[in-house]
Amino acid sequence: GENVEQHPSTLSVQEGDSAVIKCTYSDSASNYFPWYKQELGKRPQLIIDIRSNVGEKKDQRIAVTLNKTAKHFSLHITETQPEDSAVYFCAARVDSSYKLIFGSGTRLLVRP
Amino acid sequence: GAGVSQSPSNKVTEKGKDVELRCDPISGHTALYWYRQSLGQGLEFLIYFQGNSAPDKSGLPSDRFSAERTGGSVSTLTIQRTQQEDSAVYLCASSTGSYQPQHFGDGTRLSIL
Repeated sequence: GENVEQHPSTLSVQEGDSAVIKCTYSDSASNYFPWYKQELGKRPQLIIDIRSNVGEKKDQRIAVTLNKTAKHFSLHITETQPEDSAVYFCAARVDSSYKLIFGSGTRLLVRP
Repeated sequence: GAGVSQSPSNKVTEKGKDVELRCDPISGHTALYWYRQSLGQGLEFLIYFQGNSAPDKSGLPSDRFSAERTGGSVSTLTIQRTQQEDSAVYLCASSTGSYQPQHFGDGTRLSIL
């Protein structure tokens, strides 16, 4: 079955710097890749997603890139702010399935 | 409602007791999912409901776990004879269809003493 690995597990950046979180997946049939942000004690919130027919998607300071050949996708946050501090989860969904397989999460700390 | 609603928000119970967790999906969402999130871990799929189709129970960790969805809306996750390893946050999500983005509730934090 699908397996998703996420790195790094923790990431500390200075306010204003960029942050990059990377995920790899095992099943080449995966075709949908969402990213969720989870603040302490709160629900996971969908922040951006990408489908396999697209290589990059951007929404203000957040972008996601997908390399289908290498089977990896990345979340890029530019001009980081303290409120970006949270745990970020990547996920992958195999074609013709509804299950999301999640990575283990990255704890992002943005230092003021 | 405005979002997925789960209750209770916190539940503390003794080992061996049964617990019921409730999820109210977003109105009109036909797909409903349950996940488990252990401390510091990712989300583990438990069960999926879509309309009147038979649920996918492939993620349930043991036969102590069961779930129902009545009237295509509210869902209840039941854990019988709870064990300490059942302690986790149980998250519910819903979507407009099987292949649409999932929206999560705040979860129920379950602690087994």
